[in-house]
Amino acid sequence: DAKTTQPNSMESNEEEPVHLPCNHSTISGTDYIHWYRQLPSQGPEYVIHGLTSNVNNRMASLAIAEDRKSSTLILHRATLRDAAVYYCILRSSGTYKYIFGTGTRLKVLA
Amino acid sequence: NAGVTQTPKFRILKIGQSMTLQCTQDMNHNYMYWYRQDPGMGLKLIYYSVGAGITDKGEVPNGYNVSRSTTEDFPLRLELAAPSQTSVYFCASSYYTPGGRGQETQYFGPGTRLLVL
Repeated sequence: DAKTTQPNSMESNEEEPVHLPCNHSTISGTDYIHWYRQLPSQGPEYVIHGLTSNVNNRMASLAIAEDRKSSTLILHRATLRDAAVYYCILRSSGTYKYIFGTGTRLKVLA
Repeated sequence: NAGVTQTPKFRILKIGQSMTLQCTQDMNHNYMYWYRQDPGMGLKLIYYSVGAGITDKGEVPNGYNVSRSTTEDFPLRLELAAPSQTSVYFCASSYYTPGGRGQETQYFGPGTRLLVL
């Protein structure tokens, strides 16, 4: 299974944009890039996913590098509620499994 | 639409005891999963099921058993609890269609916190 690498932690000020990076240098051509987040004492929740093109939804944007070896989750305006652990996961079409790493713990400062 | 529900929320077990963690989803999802999360770590897959009557092992299946007799329910059984099974357990479900391979998203329950003493 292809792996991802994320920084352990990041900090952001409230109402500022946040860019959360993820490296996945061994990604295969059919792997989707998924992002989930886990708020304190809750189960993970889906944020966004993409394959090759950049993606936007109401929660965030996903920017995918042209060679697909890295991606960036963008929160356009961080709020205190966005403080969570963010997981970048590669979803292979050949398996039903998600492999969770340790993620990036985002701290949002008021 | 309750999504994925798990019971109990919290349980203390003595070493050697057994218990069943319950998981139910009302979204008619075909895939269901059990994960465990140790403190400060990511989630590890214990078992998964691609439909009623079909289950398979994940990364860390030892010490656990599962069954899937209905689409909605996917219980996780601990037969002989050990301190190493102290963890938070999450159940998840997703809907897989052949055309959407790789795209389906998982919906997680709130978790069951288990302490084995």
